[in-house]
Amino acid sequence: ILNVEQSPQSLHVQEGDSTNFTCSFPSSNFYALHWYRWETAKSPEALFVMTLNGDEKKKGRISATLNTKEGYSYLYIKGSQPEDSATYLCAFRGSNYQLIWGAGTKLIIKP
Amino acid sequence: DVKVTQSSRYLVKRTGEKVFLECVQDMDHENMFWYRQDPGLGLRLIYFSYDVKMKEKGDIPEGYSVSREKKERFSLILESASTNQTSMYLCASSSRESGYTFGSGTRLTVV
Repeated sequence: ILNVEQSPQSLHVQEGDSTNFTCSFPSSNFYALHWYRWETAKSPEALFVMTLNGDEKKKGRISATLNTKEGYSYLYIKGSQPEDSATYLCAFRGSNYQLIWGAGTKLIIKP
Repeated sequence: DVKVTQSSRYLVKRTGEKVFLECVQDMDHENMFWYRQDPGLGLRLIYFSYDVKMKEKGDIPEGYSVSREKKERFSLILESASTNQTSMYLCASSSRESGYTFGSGTRLTVV
């Protein structure tokens, strides 16, 4: 059974602080790792699709790294703002092209 | 603006009713998916389709069926709704190499 774990389950961060959280996934049959942001009352929105070991992607204050050999990815948010409050989902894509989802990290930014 | 449209945002149905959840995408994507999301759990795949008239069971197909008569439309059917099917239902579409585009979700309550 393929498992994708995200930690922590939830996180409270002071506005202006930086934060990061983890996605762990199987290290075999890797095809891609996806990150999504899901804000309340909206659709999940794609952040990154990462395919290469050592990959680093950046979008504004949000960045992500990928280690396929050990099976983890980190998502970093620099200088958190209230609009960063959301659930961040990662999903592992193996050789069968289906996505296996983590349960998400719920991020709450305190003003 | 490309999108995935789900027909209802909120739905309340009675136990035993037949329920139809509709999903339409305008991106000419081959792949379409139905997920449910429950607190503390990742997105769980109910059914997916790689082509018109084609369907495959996901991880939790019991109590559900699907229909894909046209490329742009993928319907989820609850043959006889039960209270344990109260959930958030998300539709998504993708092409072979793209990330997923999600609909805004349908929150179904079965009473």
